[in-house]
Amino acid sequence: GAGVSQSPSNKVTEKGKDVELRCDPISGHTALYWYRQSLGQGLEFLIYFQGNSAPDKSGLPSDRFSAERTGGSVSTLTIQRTQQEDSAVYLCASSLGLAGVQDTQYFGPGTRLTVL
Amino acid sequence: AQTVTQSQPEMSVQEAETVTLSCTYDTSESDYYLFWYKQPPSRQMILVIRQEAYKQQNATENRFSVNFQKAAKSFSLKISDSQLGDAAMYFCAYRSPGRAGKSTFGDGTTLTVKP
Repeated sequence: GAGVSQSPSNKVTEKGKDVELRCDPISGHTALYWYRQSLGQGLEFLIYFQGNSAPDKSGLPSDRFSAERTGGSVSTLTIQRTQQEDSAVYLCASSLGLAGVQDTQYFGPGTRLTVL
Repeated sequence: AQTVTQSQPEMSVQEAETVTLSCTYDTSESDYYLFWYKQPPSRQMILVIRQEAYKQQNATENRFSVNFQKAAKSFSLKISDSQLGDAAMYFCAYRSPGRAGKSTFGDGTTLTVKP
């Protein structure tokens, strides 16, 4: 596609359920990033991938959060046993690479997660 | 750790006028990148402008320009000839070359454009 796409655009779930959020990066982009944006706040870095590898997982809030990327393309962010504080917009971005101007990040429209 | 501060939670500007959004950051590094992103109600973050710290010249993109003051660790965004479509939340972001993939964002400034 022409840009980064994310699905679903909105997700409402009950506390304790697991959710999966999907990100399709721009074709050819080797780097992929996940951020969380709580209401009215800035972006909180969660994790990034270079290819299928995630060198830095330190931003994941707890062990209930995990992410994977397969084939150097699609990525899935999984939240297990969701809690109300997980409610936020989850943004995905991709970039051509990690160095110089290649690290310019292009964002998707986000997934708004609401945990009841 | 680097921090990014946007001291203006909200700003407003009259259509066709100029507005400046402020951003300061804290770092001990000499080489880094700075960004301004726009987030309209559609939620999609859009890169507005990028500045490399080693470049003394201020970056410009059409009606958008920055005032980069490295010594003061200040990176303000000037929007000239404001248009209704400029209304959005604007985020300042910092990225270190040594911390590949991880950008630090400010809390954002909501810009309202009055017709």
